[in-house]
Amino acid sequence: SQTIHQWPATLVQPVGSPLSLECTVEGTSNPNLYWYRQAAGRGLQLLFYSVGIGQISSEVPQNLSASRPQDRQFILSSKKLLLSDSGFYLCAWSEWGITPFFGQGTRLTVV
Amino acid sequence: TQLLEQSPQFLSIQEGENLTVYCNSSSVFSSLQWYRQEPGEGPVLLVTVVTGGEVKKLKRLTFQFGDARKDSSLHITAAQPGDTGLYLCAIQGAQKLVFGQGTRLTINP
Repeated sequence: SQTIHQWPATLVQPVGSPLSLECTVEGTSNPNLYWYRQAAGRGLQLLFYSVGIGQISSEVPQNLSASRPQDRQFILSSKKLLLSDSGFYLCAWSEWGITPFFGQGTRLTVV
Repeated sequence: TQLLEQSPQFLSIQEGENLTVYCNSSSVFSSLQWYRQEPGEGPVLLVTVVTGGEVKKLKRLTFQFGDARKDSSLHITAAQPGDTGLYLCAIQGAQKLVFGQGTRLTINP
């Protein structure tokens, strides 16, 4: 069966520091991968999605970037965090025609 | 503007009451998903509705897809504290899933 792993679960980082959140999927090949951000108690905003290795689509301009160095690995990064980058970050995967499944999320607090 | 509008944004009711939350759009969709999310966790899929007018039941939860496939509702009968959470509707566009802002539901014992 397929599983998705996302880490770390929580992270506290100072303003101006770099960021790297990692997401890996097991049990499937060539999945669609997504990064979402969620403000407290609200809906999910799609940040990036990828349909294959090295293929990244950005939905909104921001201080973040994404990379997909391997088929089942999706990384969310920032060179210098801003206070406004705080939030709950969710990775998800899907196959064509199948509803996405989500990781457990990373709570990022920028201080 | 939001592609999907969910209402109400917040709802707090007593255990045992019934409730309905809504997901509306001006666009037509081929399918629509409902998720429930608990604090600190990722959303969990509840149901996918595909056919206009379709009704799906999941224990005390009843999901309906509008005839024109532009809206959906979730009805909960005899709500329980375990139903507390953020309910999100979503539609799958080309290669990506777009969410509404959610309804925060609180069931008080």
